[in-house]
Amino acid sequence: GAVVSQHPSRVICKSGTSVKIECRSLDFQATTMFWYRQFPKQSLMLMATSNEGSKATYEQGVEKDKFLINHASLTLSTLTVTSAHPEDSSFYICSAGLAGAYNEQFFGPGTRLTVL
Amino acid sequence: GENVEQHPSTLSVQEGDSAVIKCTYSDSASNYFPWYKQELGKRPQLIIDIRSNVGEKKDQRIAVTLNKTAKHFSLHITETQPEDSAVYFCAASINQAGTALIFGKGTTLSVSS
Repeated sequence: GAVVSQHPSRVICKSGTSVKIECRSLDFQATTMFWYRQFPKQSLMLMATSNEGSKATYEQGVEKDKFLINHASLTLSTLTVTSAHPEDSSFYICSAGLAGAYNEQFFGPGTRLTVL
Repeated sequence: GENVEQHPSTLSVQEGDSAVIKCTYSDSASNYFPWYKQELGKRPQLIIDIRSNVGEKKDQRIAVTLNKTAKHFSLHITETQPEDSAVYFCAASINQAGTALIFGKGTTLSVSS
């Protein structure tokens, strides 16, 4: 089946630093990847849609200059949280779908970000 | 844009009972409705999905029904087991690759033995 990986699985950083999270589709090519944020006991909130070779599309209320997304290849998208603050602490999950297929999406294992 | 409402937020059942979770959606263009199970700290796992050309789909103890006219769909779990305890999310989107899923707020299912 389609496998999506994320790295790192968890990260702890100091306030004001930047953190990069990688999302990879391991056995398929993903034209589009999605980034979600999940706070404790809440649902997955779509942050942005990442398209290979073009700028990401951000959801309303998500700061594009704070959450930098790069989708440089068909198997890799990265999310960089710039100048992280404690309120950015969350579970970040990416997903990807098979090009040309129905909209079944495969989720990465998530990255637990803690900002001190 | 699409909005998905999910009820109940918590559900407690005895082992062997049935559990039903309901969702409604707002965008009539949506035609793909997956259900995910998420255990604490883990990724969401697709357990069943339905597309708008069918009204019901079943996979062993799990079934999903869809009423496009009323814009609602439901997850039915029969003969519940303790390992079914988790958070369940419904979602909706257009059935086209590259379209984002919009999730409901989730239902925490607890199955006691």
